Amino acid sequence: DGGITQSPKYLFRKEGQNVTLSCEQNLNHDAMYWYRQDPGQGLRLIYYSQIVNDFQKGDIAEGYSVSREKKESFPLTVTSAQKNPTAFYLCASSPRTGANEKLFFGSGTQLSVL
Amino acid sequence: QKEVEQNSGPLSVPEGAIASLNCTYSDRGSQSFFWYRQYSGKSPELIMSIYSNGDKEDGRFTAQLNKASQYVSLLIRDSQPSDSATYLCAVFSGGYQKVTFGTGTKLQVIP
Repeated sequence: DGGITQSPKYLFRKEGQNVTLSCEQNLNHDAMYWYRQDPGQGLRLIYYSQIVNDFQKGDIAEGYSVSREKKESFPLTVTSAQKNPTAFYLCASSPRTGANEKLFFGSGTQLSVL
Repeated sequence: QKEVEQNSGPLSVPEGAIASLNCTYSDRGSQSFFWYRQYSGKSPELIMSIYSNGDKEDGRFTAQLNKASQYVSLLIRDSQPSDSATYLCAVFSGGYQKVTFGTGTKLQVIP
């Protein structure tokens, strides 16, 4: 089945620790995105990538880092600099970036702080 | 002013009624408009997209776009309890070249 796989489903971070959220897609999509969702809030864009080895900051990139070494993979690292990391993280992809492109979402990772 | 605004709700409607969800946006250069449905703890799924002024119908769902008023709406006819979810309005802005989401409207369909 084609789709986007996020792992783990739940993740706990200790103080001062970096954690990495995995996102893999087999849809052959060029564009991939990371969003953060807080309770009762919409989705806020963290980073996005339009092509391998290239990515751009979104609206709330501070405290996060990404890489795009392969077309299929777009991992997100939540660094210790992110002081309020508890949120639901969603990875998405689209065939390209552009006005008519709908987003396909993974099932999400719930990150909590211990 | 927020780029995309929605009433957070909850919006409660009886089963079988029409649910009307509204969204306004600030960028007049916005080109594409999407409605995503999100069940609690799940990821959003696209239910409607609309690109030009007027109405677009798909089954029980109708999206309405008025670019002059910077307004997009979603109508759900014959609402079912399974429609109870949060509905996210998303707008692709030509000026910002990105999709911006509203905060979502929580819909409750009462049996």
